[in-house]
Amino acid sequence: GNSVTQMEGPVTLSEEAFLTINCTYTATGYPSLFWYVQYPGEGLQLLLKATKADDKGSNKGFEATYRKETTSFHLEKGSVQVSDSAVYFCALPYNAGNMLTFGGGTRLMVKP
Amino acid sequence: DTGVSQDPRHKITKRGQNVTFRCDPISEHNRLYWYRQTLGQGPEFLTYFQNEAQLEKSRLLSDRFSAERPKGSFSTLEIQRTEQGDSAMYLCASSFDGPPDTQYFGPGTRLTVL
Repeated sequence: GNSVTQMEGPVTLSEEAFLTINCTYTATGYPSLFWYVQYPGEGLQLLLKATKADDKGSNKGFEATYRKETTSFHLEKGSVQVSDSAVYFCALPYNAGNMLTFGGGTRLMVKP
Repeated sequence: DTGVSQDPRHKITKRGQNVTFRCDPISEHNRLYWYRQTLGQGPEFLTYFQNEAQLEKSRLLSDRFSAERPKGSFSTLEIQRTEQGDSAMYLCASSFDGPPDTQYFGPGTRLTVL
């Protein structure tokens, strides 16, 4: 089945710093790719998605581009805020079915 | 708010007891998923329903676990004879039938088995 690998954390940045969280995938075909975010004490929230190769997903200043050449879907933000402190998960469908397989998560801590 | 809801939010039980969790999906979604998340890990798939039919089950779903979705609306996840290793966050998600099949998650039920 499909799988995803993301960089381990924690990632600690100062406010307004540039963020990159790496995510690479192994997949049959070109499944949709997702980034979810989990704020402290809360459930998973969809952050952004891309449904086909070369698509760019974006939301709340975060962006990720579906790159089939490098099988990557890295998450970026130009200027992080303290409120972005959370755990970020890269995900894609496990197989032709519908359940998602997730990376291990990357904890981001942003200091003022 | 018409998001996915789960009940209870927290459950503490003693080893060997049975527990049941409930998930109410977004009303127009016909797919419903259960995941389990342990501390510091990403969610792991348990099972999923399309309407009332349970279409796929993970090998993580031992015979002590059973899930139902009568009438294709809410779902229940029951764990019988709980073990300490069952302690985790149990997440429910729902989606439409069809691509891109974006799943929306509930707040989760945190289970602690003493």
